[in-house]
Amino acid sequence: QKEVEQDPGPLSVPEGAIVSLNCTYSNSAFQYFMWYRQYSRKGPELLMYTYSSGNKEDGRFTAQVDKSSKYISLFIRDSQPSDSATYLCAMSAIAAGNKLTFGGGTRVLVKP
Amino acid sequence: NAGVTQTPKFRILKIGQSMTLQCTQDMNHNYMYWYRQDPGMGLKLIYYSVGAGITDKGEVPNGYNVSRSTTEDFPLRLELAAPSQTSVYFCASSQQDRGSGGYTFGSGTRLTVV
Repeated sequence: QKEVEQDPGPLSVPEGAIVSLNCTYSNSAFQYFMWYRQYSRKGPELLMYTYSSGNKEDGRFTAQVDKSSKYISLFIRDSQPSDSATYLCAMSAIAAGNKLTFGGGTRVLVKP
Repeated sequence: NAGVTQTPKFRILKIGQSMTLQCTQDMNHNYMYWYRQDPGMGLKLIYYSVGAGITDKGEVPNGYNVSRSTTEDFPLRLELAAPSQTSVYFCASSQQDRGSGGYTFGSGTRLTVV
């Protein structure tokens, strides 16, 4: 079993819809949670960063962490074709020396 | 701002050849990392460094070597290339203070071993 599980998709939605992404994890020591966006043939770029449980909002993006369920989510409101990319969740534990464990990524396609 | 720069962008190697993937960052980050990304498999950590002169193995270090003589540079060496090393390689860096956020990634090196 992978330490971080993420549905590979693809997830296809019409423009303007809400995109809902999630990851589950097994390591209860994870305290830092991140979402990265990766366009084709590019490096990942940091979208959202959350410490411990709770919600965080940044523009059209909302990240949620539920540590009791070992489940994190990313919501994209008013999705645009430019949101078409692969979204990777990542997480780390305090004792991990800032090393991240990544999910496999979910490919998202927003159709005009 | 250059951020993290990786060279080359593409390379084709024959089995048994060797090469060095270059990575340099201009953000004065202490932490640097090498990941490989295979289709559908996410990113797997090869090696990492917490500062000049200090390196350590990640999840998949076999067949690779690294060095960290300066804060800026973190080259990855492939010895005796094998088809299993066909992958996209990403270098990343981060600040030591975790509260500042996640990694900054380079644009990747796409390597094919034939």
